[in-house]
Amino acid sequence: GQNIDQPTEMTATEGAIVQINCTYQTSGFNGLFWYQQHAGEAPTFLSYNVLDGLEEKGRFSSFLSRSKGYSYLLLKELQMKDSASYLCAVRDRRAAGNKLTFGGGTRVLVKP
Amino acid sequence: EPEVTQTPSHQVTQMGQEVILRCVPISNHLYFYWYRQILGQKVEFLVSFYNNEISEKSEIFDDQFSVERPDGSNFTLKIRSTKLEDSAMYFCASKEEGTSYEQYFGPGTRLTVT
Repeated sequence: GQNIDQPTEMTATEGAIVQINCTYQTSGFNGLFWYQQHAGEAPTFLSYNVLDGLEEKGRFSSFLSRSKGYSYLLLKELQMKDSASYLCAVRDRRAAGNKLTFGGGTRVLVKP
Repeated sequence: EPEVTQTPSHQVTQMGQEVILRCVPISNHLYFYWYRQILGQKVEFLVSFYNNEISEKSEIFDDQFSVERPDGSNFTLKIRSTKLEDSAMYFCASKEEGTSYEQYFGPGTRLTVT
């Protein structure tokens, strides 16, 4: 099976940087995803890592270390609209249909 | 931009009743999924569907659940006899063929079983 851990909640100030860590255990890793989810809404795709290293996309970056089973999502120049839950999800190589297994999500609160 | 749509946005039903949740995936996508999220909990995989058949299902997806692609555009999730614990947000998602990795999620249907 798969086990995905991420902090429950983080608070940061507008304009600052926040790093959300995710650790995972899986027997057949085939990619790690970060999604953003505002309350009551659908998850929206932020990033995908399948190789080690950093992927940068505007204010958001995601890092992966497969040997450590570790990823982080970095949010820079925080804006109030970034207040949301951030979901780490892993895809299993053995999954026929490319299903995603999600962590519990990290709720980020951005304060003025 | 193309998007996944779901209807209804909110469904209230009595325990034991059948419900059908509807989804229209993005038109050129070939992989379809249902996930659910109980309030305050994590998103959980239910089932994946490709080439007109289920490719994988979770332990949650028991005999009370079924999926269907009745025509070229709709993808439905049926719960035969709803239980209180089926109350959740149900998300449909779809993905392109091949090397594409991103699953696009619909806005969800909030199911309330009373």
